[in-house]
Amino acid sequence: GESVGLHLPTLSVQEGDNSIINCAYSNSASDYFIWYKQESGKGPQFIIDIRSNMDKRQGQRVTVLLNKTVKHLSLQIAATQPGDSAVYFCAENFLGNYGQNFVFGPGTRLSVLP
Amino acid sequence: DGGITQSPKYLFRKEGQNVTLSCEQNLNHDAMYWYRQDPGQGLRLIYYSQIVNDFQKGDIAEGYSVSREKKESFPLTVTSAQKNPTAFYLCASSPGQGIGYTFGSGTRLTVV
Repeated sequence: GESVGLHLPTLSVQEGDNSIINCAYSNSASDYFIWYKQESGKGPQFIIDIRSNMDKRQGQRVTVLLNKTVKHLSLQIAATQPGDSAVYFCAENFLGNYGQNFVFGPGTRLSVLP
Repeated sequence: DGGITQSPKYLFRKEGQNVTLSCEQNLNHDAMYWYRQDPGQGLRLIYYSQIVNDFQKGDIAEGYSVSREKKESFPLTVTSAQKNPTAFYLCASSPGQGIGYTFGSGTRLTVV
């Protein structure tokens, strides 16, 4: 597969357990956040998003929590499955040098153990 | 199905050669982006275009060029001036600023 994320932090979890992936974002003015999942050799896929006027949002098996006080975002995956193995990264959106664009974190590799 | 297509999946470049990476979308999105992905790093913005016939440099535009002659297409040329081009290149599109991106499947460029 592709060698993206060779030196990323890795989270290893047992199949069926819950996973929590964390992200520290950089700009207190960020008002929109997205979690992406990237499997080996593929482009990132949208998982879930949250706006800054919320502190929690739930999807199917995933929950995103936002703590604006400490500029922290987390992604919780319930009942982790082998297909969840991938690199996960957060993206924050704010008005910067390039307009209202996204800035991406380096990511965390999630490894699901059988 | 609507989507964004990058080609080729793998590309090999000789020293001193220019190569062009293709990115096509049929999502009717106005904005398109090129990112470079290196191991252990977040995506870095190369170029972006918010509308046809207009594009802007990102953080690492040196050694790259783009064009946006059609809404659907945003090709990236990696020129010989780019000294370290080996990386995974991702194209994305969006309906507009501040709206989440749809990514292509990427092109792996290797210098031989």
